[in-house]
Amino acid sequence: EPEVTQTPSHQVTQMGQEVILRCVPISNHLYFYWYRQILGQKVEFLVSFYNNEISEKSEIFDDQFSVERPDGSNFTLKIRSTKLEDSAMYFCASSGPTRSNYGYTFGSGTRLTVV
Amino acid sequence: LAKTTQPISMDSYEGQEVNITCSHNNIATNDYITWYQQFPSQGPRFIIQGYKTKVTNEVASLFIPADRKSSTLSLPRVSLSDTAVYYCLVGETLNSGNTPLVFGKGTRLSVIA
Repeated sequence: EPEVTQTPSHQVTQMGQEVILRCVPISNHLYFYWYRQILGQKVEFLVSFYNNEISEKSEIFDDQFSVERPDGSNFTLKIRSTKLEDSAMYFCASSGPTRSNYGYTFGSGTRLTVV
Repeated sequence: LAKTTQPISMDSYEGQEVNITCSHNNIATNDYITWYQQFPSQGPRFIIQGYKTKVTNEVASLFIPADRKSSTLSLPRVSLSDTAVYYCLVGETLNSGNTPLVFGKGTRLSVIA
């Protein structure tokens, strides 16, 4: 079964530092997403990406965040200057262009800890 | 997006059938009902999707009454490994746009030996 791969699985960073979270979506998918989940809370939508541009973004996705698809396989989330409250699990997901019986496929996540 | 309401938590013994009901009173004509499962420290995983009546796959069944204002996810003979959070989502499918999934708090199912 195709998978969405995320690296690293864990990242510890100091407040104010930049971090880049990486994702390899499923190869024939066209829509890409980032979600986050703060410990004990619900999964929150951050941003969706299609045709090399942002389709939608939530209020959480402010100027500190950016996404990029630098090549044909990777999809990255950058946080420019991390804050303590950015500590969370970050999930990448991808989906196909047509109605799918399998919905979104999520990666296993990157646990980001800001100290 | 249609608002959904589901129980915060449920407990079940191993081997029992578990039914989790989700209310979605303002579901739209084009909306589908989708259920996801999330284990601790993992991303959500698609379980099942339906529009009306009954859908069954190797993991679960989804029952949707004629008015579509609710749906029930049925897990047959649960095991300890089914302990997870189950999310009910309602919205258009992907071929009608790029509407991102919005997760609620879900139902935390605890399976007891």
